[in-house]
Amino acid sequence: DAEITQSPRHKITETGRQVTLACHQTWNHNNMFWYRQDLGHGLRLIHYSYGVQDTNKGEVSDGYSVSRSNTEDLPLTLESAASSQTSVYFCASSANYGYTFGSGTRLTVV
Amino acid sequence: AQSVAQPEDQVNVAEGNPLTVKCTYSVSGNPYLFWYVQYPNRGLQFLLKYITGDNLVKGSYGFEAEFNKSQTSFHLKKPSALVSDSALYFCAPGGGNTGKLIFGQGTTLQVKP
Repeated sequence: DAEITQSPRHKITETGRQVTLACHQTWNHNNMFWYRQDLGHGLRLIHYSYGVQDTNKGEVSDGYSVSRSNTEDLPLTLESAASSQTSVYFCASSANYGYTFGSGTRLTVV
Repeated sequence: AQSVAQPEDQVNVAEGNPLTVKCTYSVSGNPYLFWYVQYPNRGLQFLLKYITGDNLVKGSYGFEAEFNKSQTSFHLKKPSALVSDSALYFCAPGGGNTGKLIFGQGTTLQVKP
């Protein structure tokens, strides 16, 4: 069965370190998205991609980057982790109004 | 620009009573609208969506929602609430050809026995 997987499920890192969160989908969806979830803010869009080599900034993109070298993967990189980036991160993919979400990565920056 | 509002942080209802979780939106072009539910320490679960057609949409677990274009609303409803419906509910509109969903801040539904 097709699926979307995020790794790791939990991550603790130190301030200033570079961190990469993985997102891998086997739906063959062109559209992929990264969101962060914080109490009181719901889910906010970080970056998104409509296909290979395409990336776009969302509403809270500062301090984050993504790359899309193939259809299946959209890794999210925190260039220099900050305590304000402690959050739960969700990846999603979509096609034809069908959206699938990953189980999330809980990131703690200490 | 897309925006969404869930005006209630929390909705309390007694088990067996009807429930409504409100959502209003603003999108460019023809909207498509989703409701998701999230249980503690879990991911998002799809409840229902409106793309086109009948304004009343039926979804999972007995939930339904009505698309009202003039009021730009997409309220979630259930005729008889269960304690197990207690969770965090998100409205998520998308619009035009962006393919992007934006999320409201969420509404916590508390159903008491």
